[in-house]
Order: sequence, then C-alpha cells, then structure tokens
Amino acid sequence: DVKVTQSSRYLVKRTGEKVFLECVQDMDHENMFWYRQDPGLGLRLIYFSYDVKMKEKGDIPEGYSVSREKKERFSLILESASTNQTSMYLCATTMGGEAQPQHFGDGTRLSIL
Amino acid sequence: RKEVEQDPGPFNVPEGATVAFNCTYSNSASQSFFWYRQDCRKEPKLLMSVYSSGNEDGRFTAQLNRASQYISLLIRDSKLSDSATYLCVVGNFNKFYFGSGTKLNVKP
Repeated sequence: DVKVTQSSRYLVKRTGEKVFLECVQDMDHENMFWYRQDPGLGLRLIYFSYDVKMKEKGDIPEGYSVSREKKERFSLILESASTNQTSMYLCATTMGGEAQPQHFGDGTRLSIL
Repeated sequence: RKEVEQDPGPFNVPEGATVAFNCTYSNSASQSFFWYRQDCRKEPKLLMSVYSSGNEDGRFTAQLNRASQYISLLIRDSKLSDSATYLCVVGNFNKFYFGSGTKLNVKP
C-alpha cells in the first residue's frame, strides 16, 4: 500500500507567519501534488511536481511556494500566512504515466488566526 | 464552465437501495477517470478506476460514456457504511480535475 504522510493533522498559526507543510511518500512515486479543499469549492490544485527540483503552478499558487529537494518529500510553504489560507491541505502522489490514480495523505487542517 | 460537474445531493436512501451518481466532464481529451470516497473531515480514498468497458467491484459498478462525456457510479444493496461523499475525478496527463462531490446518506 502507498503511504503518504503529512507532518501535522492540525496546525494553528498566526497571520504573517511563515508556515511549512511537509509531505513524505514511501513508494518512489514521481509526481506529487498539493491541494486545498474548502466547502463548496472542492479540491483546488496549488502546485505539483513531477521530479526532484521540478515544480509547476496549479490553479491557485498565489501566496504559496513549494520545494522538492528529494523525491520522497514535497513541502508547501506559506510565505506570509493570511486568514484566507485557513483550509484543509491535502498532499497526493501518483506514479508516472497515464491512468494512474492519486493517493492522498491524511490532510492538514490549518487555521490562521 | 467547470471541468467536472456533479450533483451535490444529498441523496438520502434506505439501506438495501440501489443508487446511481453521474458526473460530466468538459475536456474530450481526458485520459483517466476515477471515483473516490471521502468521509467527513478525512482524505479522499480511491474507490475505483473507471475503464472504457465499464468495471465492477462487488456492489459498485462504474461506467464511462466518452461520447456523452460522463461517468457513472452505481451502488447496489446500499449499506449504512456507504454514507460518504463521492468524488468524481478526471485526469489528463498529469493533471487531475475533481468534482465537488455527491453526498450520500444511507438510512436504516
């Protein structure tokens, strides 16, 4: 079974703080993704990475950056947290190639006060 | 127009009922199709991939209609434990598009 581990289930931070969300996978998957999920809006893609040191913007990258220094780890960074970044953050991975499903971590419920 | 559209429900059905969800997608070049289940405040979990010929896994049957650009999920003999939100996901190369989910409540 694929194991995708997110560093925190719940996190509370203050406006203006720099926030790091970590995601680690153990299946040597090429592709990793960060989403946020909000009621009524579904899952929205923030960034994804298809290889070490490679990254591509998703649909809502503003206010976020990412880092992929090792294949198994994909970090999401909130440069200066704001209240509108309060959300559920989900990391996902897939193998390379077509028709491979995504596997999700448990999610991080982040609150910015 | 959204890439993937689903009826949000909720679908309220009694135990033992058969229930079907549809999902439409806008990009005719889409390559891969999936149904995920998501419980309240949890992560989405893969329920099944959807293949062109249709496929079945126990009480669950998935169908793909490329001509009309929709996929469907049929659940037979509903159980209380089937209560969840069902997400339709459509993939095109390395990008995935999610429906907002259909909520199912199975009642005793």
